[in-house]
Amino acid sequence: RKEVEQDPGPFNVPEGATVAFNCTYSNSASQSFFWYRQDCRKEPKLLMSVYSSGNEDGRFTAQLNRASQYISLLIRDSKLSDSATYLCVVNKPGTASKLTFGTGTRLQVTL
Amino acid sequence: DTAVSQTPKYLVTQMGNDKSIKCEQNLGHDTMYWYKQDSKKFLKIMFSYNNKELIINETVPNRFSPKSPDKAHLNLHINSLELGDSAVYFCASSLSLAPQAEQYFGPGTRLTVT
Repeated sequence: RKEVEQDPGPFNVPEGATVAFNCTYSNSASQSFFWYRQDCRKEPKLLMSVYSSGNEDGRFTAQLNRASQYISLLIRDSKLSDSATYLCVVNKPGTASKLTFGTGTRLQVTL
Repeated sequence: DTAVSQTPKYLVTQMGNDKSIKCEQNLGHDTMYWYKQDSKKFLKIMFSYNNKELIINETVPNRFSPKSPDKAHLNLHINSLELGDSAVYFCASSLSLAPQAEQYFGPGTRLTVT
Protein backbone atom coordinates (compact mmCIF):
# COMPACT_ATOMS: atom_id res chain seq x y z
CA ARG A 1 0.00 0.00 0.00
CA LYS A 2 1.32 3.45 -0.88
CA GLU A 3 2.11 5.71 2.06
CA VAL A 4 -0.18 8.43 0.73
CA GLU A 5 -2.75 7.69 -1.92
CA GLN A 6 -4.80 10.10 -3.99
CA ASP A 7 -6.99 9.85 -7.05
CA PRO A 8 -4.89 11.52 -9.79
CA GLY A 9 -7.96 12.89 -11.58
CA PRO A 10 -8.27 15.06 -13.54
CA PHE A 11 -11.40 16.51 -12.03
CA ASN A 12 -13.03 18.79 -14.59
CA VAL A 13 -15.64 21.01 -12.97
CA PRO A 14 -17.49 24.17 -14.04
CA GLU A 15 -16.96 27.45 -12.24
CA GLY A 16 -19.08 27.68 -9.12
CA ALA A 17 -19.14 23.94 -8.52
CA THR A 18 -18.22 22.24 -5.27
CA VAL A 19 -15.53 19.60 -5.55
CA ALA A 20 -14.04 17.21 -3.00
CA PHE A 21 -10.73 15.39 -2.99
CA ASN A 22 -9.87 12.44 -0.81
CA CYS A 23 -6.61 11.02 0.38
CA THR A 24 -5.70 7.95 2.45
CA TYR A 25 -2.51 7.37 4.39
CA SER A 26 -0.98 4.15 5.62
CA ASN A 27 0.89 5.07 8.82
CA SER A 28 -1.50 5.35 11.75
CA ALA A 29 1.21 7.09 13.80
CA SER A 30 1.28 10.12 11.47
CA GLN A 31 0.62 13.33 13.36
CA SER A 32 0.57 16.16 10.87
CA PHE A 33 -1.41 16.58 7.70
CA PHE A 34 -1.42 19.22 5.02
CA TRP A 35 -2.83 20.14 1.66
CA TYR A 36 -0.42 21.78 -0.75
CA ARG A 37 -1.26 23.25 -4.12
CA GLN A 38 1.09 23.05 -7.10
CA ASP A 39 0.53 25.02 -10.29
CA CYS A 40 2.03 23.77 -13.54
CA ARG A 41 5.83 24.17 -13.54
CA LYS A 42 5.78 25.91 -10.16
CA GLU A 43 6.70 24.98 -6.61
CA PRO A 44 4.25 23.42 -4.13
CA LYS A 45 2.65 25.99 -1.87
CA LEU A 46 0.96 25.30 1.43
CA LEU A 47 -2.80 25.59 1.10
CA MET A 48 -3.74 24.60 4.62
CA SER A 49 -2.82 22.39 7.54
CA VAL A 50 -5.44 19.82 8.52
CA TYR A 51 -6.49 19.69 12.15
CA SER A 52 -8.21 16.87 14.00
CA SER A 53 -11.43 18.81 14.43
CA GLY A 54 -11.50 19.86 10.78
CA ASN A 55 -10.84 23.40 9.65
CA GLU A 56 -12.01 25.93 7.15
CA ASP A 57 -10.27 28.73 5.30
CA GLY A 58 -12.66 30.69 3.13
CA ARG A 59 -13.96 28.39 0.41
CA PHE A 60 -11.70 25.52 1.51
CA THR A 61 -12.57 22.95 4.17
CA ALA A 62 -10.25 20.18 5.30
CA GLN A 63 -11.30 17.15 7.33
CA LEU A 64 -9.32 14.41 9.04
CA ASN A 65 -10.64 10.97 9.98
CA ARG A 66 -7.94 9.24 12.02
CA ALA A 67 -9.92 6.01 12.43
CA SER A 68 -10.15 5.54 8.68
CA GLN A 69 -6.78 7.25 7.98
CA TYR A 70 -8.45 9.54 5.55
CA ILE A 71 -8.13 13.25 4.74
CA SER A 72 -10.40 15.32 2.55
CA LEU A 73 -10.40 18.74 0.94
CA LEU A 74 -13.62 20.44 -0.10
CA ILE A 75 -13.59 23.46 -2.41
CA ARG A 76 -16.80 25.44 -2.65
CA ASP A 77 -17.70 27.92 -5.40
CA SER A 78 -14.75 26.86 -7.59
CA LYS A 79 -12.88 29.61 -9.44
CA LEU A 80 -10.83 29.33 -12.63
CA SER A 81 -7.80 30.20 -10.51
CA ASP A 82 -8.34 27.05 -8.42
CA SER A 83 -7.10 24.97 -11.37
CA ALA A 84 -3.97 23.24 -10.09
CA THR A 85 -2.72 19.96 -8.65
CA TYR A 86 -3.60 19.40 -5.00
CA LEU A 87 -1.08 17.41 -3.00
CA CYS A 88 -2.03 15.51 0.13
CA VAL A 89 0.92 15.54 2.53
CA VAL A 90 1.45 13.50 5.67
CA ASN A 91 4.35 13.50 8.07
CA LYS A 92 6.25 10.24 8.52
CA PRO A 93 6.81 9.71 12.23
CA GLY A 94 10.41 9.28 13.25
CA THR A 95 13.24 11.24 14.74
CA ALA A 96 12.77 14.12 12.36
CA SER A 97 9.91 15.57 10.47
CA LYS A 98 9.75 13.98 7.08
CA LEU A 99 6.85 14.76 4.79
CA THR A 100 5.44 12.18 2.41
CA PHE A 101 3.67 13.66 -0.58
CA GLY A 102 0.86 12.07 -2.52
CA THR A 103 1.13 12.18 -6.28
CA GLY A 104 -1.58 14.83 -6.39
CA THR A 105 -5.07 15.30 -7.75
CA ARG A 106 -5.40 17.54 -10.76
CA LEU A 107 -8.30 20.00 -10.82
CA GLN A 108 -9.40 21.86 -13.94
CA VAL A 109 -12.09 24.49 -13.45
CA THR A 110 -13.78 25.56 -16.67
CA LEU A 111 -16.14 28.35 -17.73
CA ASP B 1 11.47 39.61 -1.25
CA THR B 2 11.90 35.95 -2.15
CA ALA B 3 11.65 33.72 0.93
CA VAL B 4 13.38 30.63 -0.51
CA SER B 5 15.50 31.16 -3.60
CA GLN B 6 17.40 28.72 -5.78
CA THR B 7 19.95 29.14 -8.54
CA PRO B 8 20.05 28.32 -11.32
CA LYS B 9 16.43 27.98 -12.41
CA TYR B 10 17.37 25.85 -15.41
CA LEU B 11 20.40 23.63 -15.87
CA VAL B 12 21.18 21.67 -19.02
CA THR B 13 24.31 19.56 -18.94
CA GLN B 14 25.87 16.43 -20.34
CA MET B 15 26.22 13.06 -18.71
CA GLY B 16 29.31 12.71 -16.59
CA ASN B 17 29.52 16.40 -15.64
CA ASP B 18 29.50 17.76 -12.09
CA LYS B 19 27.08 20.54 -11.18
CA SER B 20 25.84 22.46 -8.15
CA ILE B 21 22.53 24.03 -7.19
CA LYS B 22 22.37 26.72 -4.55
CA CYS B 23 19.58 27.48 -2.11
CA GLU B 24 19.09 30.34 0.31
CA GLN B 25 16.25 31.19 2.69
CA ASN B 26 15.71 34.54 4.40
CA LEU B 27 12.97 33.34 6.74
CA GLY B 28 15.23 32.69 9.70
CA HIS B 29 14.29 29.00 9.61
CA ASP B 30 16.43 26.32 11.24
CA THR B 31 15.62 23.46 8.88
CA MET B 32 16.21 23.07 5.15
CA TYR B 33 15.45 20.31 2.67
CA TRP B 34 16.14 19.07 -0.83
CA TYR B 35 13.39 17.31 -2.78
CA LYS B 36 13.37 15.69 -6.21
CA GLN B 37 10.29 15.75 -8.43
CA ASP B 38 10.54 13.30 -11.30
CA SER B 39 8.74 13.22 -14.64
CA LYS B 40 5.73 11.52 -13.02
CA LYS B 41 5.45 14.53 -10.68
CA PHE B 42 6.24 12.42 -7.63
CA LEU B 43 7.89 14.64 -5.00
CA LYS B 44 10.36 12.82 -2.77
CA ILE B 45 12.61 14.06 -0.02
CA MET B 46 16.35 13.63 -0.47
CA PHE B 47 17.99 15.40 2.46
CA SER B 48 17.19 17.59 5.41
CA TYR B 49 19.49 19.72 7.54
CA ASN B 50 18.81 21.32 10.89
CA ASN B 51 21.15 24.10 12.00
CA LYS B 52 23.74 22.90 9.47
CA GLU B 53 23.53 19.30 10.69
CA LEU B 54 22.43 16.47 8.39
CA ILE B 55 19.23 14.91 9.71
CA ILE B 56 17.73 12.94 6.83
CA ASN B 57 19.62 11.20 4.04
CA GLU B 58 17.02 9.32 2.12
CA THR B 59 18.98 6.56 0.32
CA VAL B 60 20.26 8.97 -2.27
CA PRO B 61 23.30 7.89 -4.34
CA ASN B 62 26.50 9.29 -2.88
CA ARG B 63 27.04 11.23 -6.11
CA PHE B 64 24.70 13.73 -4.42
CA SER B 65 26.37 15.72 -1.67
CA PRO B 66 24.57 18.45 0.21
CA LYS B 67 26.47 21.18 2.01
CA SER B 68 25.16 23.68 4.52
CA PRO B 69 27.69 26.48 5.16
CA ASP B 70 25.20 28.18 7.51
CA LYS B 71 21.60 27.64 8.43
CA ALA B 72 20.35 29.99 5.71
CA HIS B 73 22.02 28.06 2.90
CA LEU B 74 21.82 24.50 1.66
CA ASN B 75 23.61 23.66 -1.57
CA LEU B 76 23.47 20.45 -3.57
CA HIS B 77 26.44 19.17 -5.53
CA ILE B 78 25.97 16.34 -8.00
CA ASN B 79 28.90 14.38 -9.41
CA SER B 80 28.99 12.29 -12.59
CA LEU B 81 25.51 13.25 -13.71
CA GLU B 82 23.33 10.51 -15.20
CA LEU B 83 20.29 10.67 -17.48
CA GLY B 84 18.09 9.54 -14.59
CA ASP B 85 19.06 12.63 -12.60
CA SER B 86 16.90 14.74 -14.92
CA ALA B 87 14.15 16.16 -12.71
CA VAL B 88 13.08 19.30 -10.91
CA TYR B 89 14.94 19.82 -7.64
CA PHE B 90 13.18 21.85 -4.96
CA CYS B 91 14.74 23.35 -1.90
CA ALA B 92 12.47 23.99 1.09
CA SER B 93 12.73 25.32 4.61
CA SER B 94 10.75 25.14 7.83
CA LEU B 95 10.95 26.85 11.18
CA SER B 96 12.00 23.65 12.92
CA LEU B 97 11.94 19.85 12.71
CA ALA B 98 8.58 19.71 14.50
CA PRO B 99 6.08 17.54 12.60
CA GLN B 100 3.60 20.38 12.33
CA ALA B 101 6.17 22.83 10.92
CA GLU B 102 5.07 24.09 7.55
CA GLN B 103 7.53 23.82 4.71
CA TYR B 104 8.11 26.63 2.22
CA PHE B 105 9.48 25.72 -1.17
CA GLY B 106 11.83 27.49 -3.53
CA PRO B 107 10.93 27.90 -7.23
CA GLY B 108 12.79 24.76 -8.29
CA THR B 109 15.76 23.98 -10.51
CA ARG B 110 14.90 22.11 -13.69
CA LEU B 111 17.87 19.84 -14.43
CA THR B 112 18.15 18.19 -17.83
CA VAL B 113 20.96 15.73 -18.41
CA THR B 114 21.67 14.89 -22.06
